[in-house]
Amino acid sequence: GAVVSQHPSWVICKSGTSVKIECRSLDFQATTMFWYRQFPKQSLMLMATSNEGSKATYEQGVEKDKFLINHASLTLSTLTVTSAHPEDSSFYICSAKGTRFRSDTQYFGPGTRLTVL
Amino acid sequence: AQSVTQLDSHVSVSEGTPVLLRCNYSSSYSPSLFWYVQHPNKGLQLLLKYTSAATLVKGINGFEAEFKKSETSFHLTKPSAHMSDAAEYFCVVRFSMFSGGYNKLIFGAGTRLAVHP
Repeated sequence: GAVVSQHPSWVICKSGTSVKIECRSLDFQATTMFWYRQFPKQSLMLMATSNEGSKATYEQGVEKDKFLINHASLTLSTLTVTSAHPEDSSFYICSAKGTRFRSDTQYFGPGTRLTVL
Repeated sequence: AQSVTQLDSHVSVSEGTPVLLRCNYSSSYSPSLFWYVQHPNKGLQLLLKYTSAATLVKGINGFEAEFKKSETSFHLTKPSAHMSDAAEYFCVVRFSMFSGGYNKLIFGAGTRLAVHP
């Protein structure tokens, strides 16, 4: 149990286009989902926290208009990178915290590698 | 403020020998501490966690960690390394509820474990 999927697993796009990444909790309901960013050979940095049905809370320094987060249901959150630029190239990872599982554990998706040309 | 420091960016061991991955934390309150493992192209997997119960925590795949308050440490150990243990390991501290952002995880920089035959 407690499986989190991400789609796509990798994406290449042109500069100026927008990219949407999906994060799904497959076998549990996730009241809270988190989006992280990981640069090569570096650690994960929390970008934002989203609760189902409410606006996401962004970490300091993260542009909310550039990284749009929607958590419309208890099993799906999306991250849209708008007007992507090469510096947005990174590994994006989501995690989910469920209601029915132990509440202090986050379950992580496999990540999405974004490359902006 | 909570923070976590992984003392080694790379650790290399021979198969069958012990593994020690070091982690020190800083926290104003009793912390919750975690170790996650990240295999290439896979999601982060929880190895074990400490949440103020027993100080010696046993996890999956033969790993364990000991919470030492006097040393502010939470080192990860395994008696005998296996080739499949080669991966990136992250020590993580969770924000305590008293400092706000209750569910935030702060990741260490990571330690890459190499296991040689």
